[in-house]
Amino acid sequence: DIQMTQSPSSVSASVGDRVTITCRASQGISSWLAWYQQKPGKAPKLLIYAASSLQSGVPSRFSGSGSGTDFTLTISSLQPEDFATYYCQQANSFPPYTFGQGTKLEIK
Amino acid sequence: EVQLVESGGGLVKPGGSLRLSCAASGFTFSSYSMNWVRQAPGKGLEWVSSISSSSSYIYYADSVKGRFTISRDNAKNSLYLQMNSLRAEDTAVYYCARDLGPYDSSGYLDYWGQGTLVTVSS
Repeated sequence: DIQMTQSPSSVSASVGDRVTITCRASQGISSWLAWYQQKPGKAPKLLIYAASSLQSGVPSRFSGSGSGTDFTLTISSLQPEDFATYYCQQANSFPPYTFGQGTKLEIK
Repeated sequence: EVQLVESGGGLVKPGGSLRLSCAASGFTFSSYSMNWVRQAPGKGLEWVSSISSSSSYIYYADSVKGRFTISRDNAKNSLYLQMNSLRAEDTAVYYCARDLGPYDSSGYLDYWGQGTLVTVSS
């Protein structure tokens, strides 16, 4: 199975900051990567798919990049509603789909 | 509006069974692959099972293979997960999730239900 490792596990930032979260795959997955946002007690929400495609309705301050084994999710200017946990997920080698362990974005 | 509503969760003893349902609306259910994903309390996301639009292709995580059975009824716009031989480590919120699709499975999950909690405890 492909292992997905996110870093950092948690990050503190302020409204207006630029934040980058990294996801590394244990083997190459081309661009078969998604990013999800999850708020406490809620279902995950798809933000980015195919490494860099913005899901409909997602604000443009979210962007994704990378291919192969290294990927990033960038939030260009943090808004109060962005404080949440973020997960990456590979869709290249299936089954299984595998998720990263999550990155908790907290208010500084 | 796309809606996925899970039901059927609850408290069950180890070794017991439970059947989860997911009622879909707002889209052509029969055109999309569907998935179950679970999240243990305070933990991350774990993909459990997938089923293609016509039920031709079915996949399971190793952790549930032989114990769980995914199925769907396209006439009823419903997805199911039959869970047998339940263990304490199966305790989680179970989400049904739609593949971005349609037709070909992409592996990206664009709509999720609110989840249903399964607790396995004596």
